[in-house]
Amino acid sequence: KAGVTQTPRYLIKTRGQQVTLSCSPISGHRSVSWYQQTPGQGLQFLFEYFSETQRNKGNFPGRFSGRQFSNSRSEMNVSTLELGDSALYLCASSPVLAGGPIETQYFGPGTRLLVL
Amino acid sequence: QQQVKQSPQSLIVQKGGISIINCAYENTAFDYFPWYQQFPGKGPALLIAIRPDVSEKKEGRFTISFNKSAKQFSLHIMDSQPGDSATYFCAASYSGFNKFYFGSGTKLNVKP
Repeated sequence: KAGVTQTPRYLIKTRGQQVTLSCSPISGHRSVSWYQQTPGQGLQFLFEYFSETQRNKGNFPGRFSGRQFSNSRSEMNVSTLELGDSALYLCASSPVLAGGPIETQYFGPGTRLLVL
Repeated sequence: QQQVKQSPQSLIVQKGGISIINCAYENTAFDYFPWYQQFPGKGPALLIAIRPDVSEKKEGRFTISFNKSAKQFSLHIMDSQPGDSATYFCAASYSGFNKFYFGSGTKLNVKP
């Protein structure tokens, strides 16, 4: 099976712009989670989508949003970019079934965003 | 509040030695504890995971030790190799919530 793919891999934006990142999960995986990774804060959970619905949300401002499509592909959007949004954004997919036990998350390579 | 605390921040081990990374958690509802390995430019990859019904799990050179009463778990890498040089993250989650809390990471450097 192909792994989790994320596009683009690298992105440079300026403050105030918005950005959309894309994630394609492993085939058959219905849960997609997004994380922000920075040297100072480590890996921080942004949100999780399952069957096109946001199930869990981390402590990030409303500028960070996401969605999931019927084929489980997910997008993440950040509006009004700030310098502090520079980070590696990781997507992870999981085969978790609704109400089932926790399953392992499989991470993609990430999108490195630089905000100037 | 940091739900999972990881130490040390960095670790240097000689080839063939044992690398030990420790994590402590707060939430007693956590019931799934994975360890991830991350190489530069790559996403984290699952190494090994444990549930609290066992005190130890071994896969090859990697062992997780779990102490439920102390709310601590650790990763042991036996016969450490230069190829093990990477950043290691512990994490915790609990049933019903596919949301993982990660430790701050340990950068391991195995000297040849």
